[in-house]
Amino acid sequence: SQQGEEDPQALSIQEGENATMNCSYKTSINNLQWYRQNSGRGLVHLILIRSNEREKHSGRLRVTLDTSKKSSSLLITASRAADTASYFCATSTTSGTYKYIFGTGTRLKVLA
Amino acid sequence: GAVVSQHPSRVICKSGTSVKIECRSLDFQATTMFWYRQFPKQSLMLMATSNEGSKATYEQGVEKDKFLINHASLTLSTLTVTSAHPEDSSFYICSATDRGLSYNSPLHFGNGTRLTVT
Repeated sequence: SQQGEEDPQALSIQEGENATMNCSYKTSINNLQWYRQNSGRGLVHLILIRSNEREKHSGRLRVTLDTSKKSSSLLITASRAADTASYFCATSTTSGTYKYIFGTGTRLKVLA
Repeated sequence: GAVVSQHPSRVICKSGTSVKIECRSLDFQATTMFWYRQFPKQSLMLMATSNEGSKATYEQGVEKDKFLINHASLTLSTLTVTSAHPEDSSFYICSATDRGLSYNSPLHFGNGTRLTVT
């Protein structure tokens, strides 16, 4: 399977704490993206990091990419109850057809 | 901007019937659309990639005669589940991107369709 792995599978934290999720992938990539999914809904794009970038910020989000280890992390700082959702990484590969492969996801629960 | 509309949001059908799901890009040209299937508490599994005006590319293990994909225009792709069976019950999500911009364009998702086959 080309699917990436994410850990942890589930994460429960208190409001105000930071949440870190990790993603590992298997092939060379053009970019890696993080998405958020609220229960029973579609996905919302959060942030994109290109293969030649190492770190990127957007508001309370910080993403790192280590292409040598084929891994990425998403940090959500000062979490809020509204951040409760599933978070997925997705990779666009450099080989074969143009497509995006999603990781297994992390279910984040932020307790008020 | 970059809105993708997916209909219906929920559908219940009887075993043996066909169901069509529509995915429309409302304010951009979707040169490429992807169809995913998602089981409860699991990730998205890519079913097929469709480019406007050409045949869809199906992932290994996905029956192209069962899951018919049509991408006839730059704003509309349809997925038809033919002769549906209870095991086809799932959450189907489409996404679209304008690959003409760059390979680094984000995906824009519809809100998904919950299919239940009785």
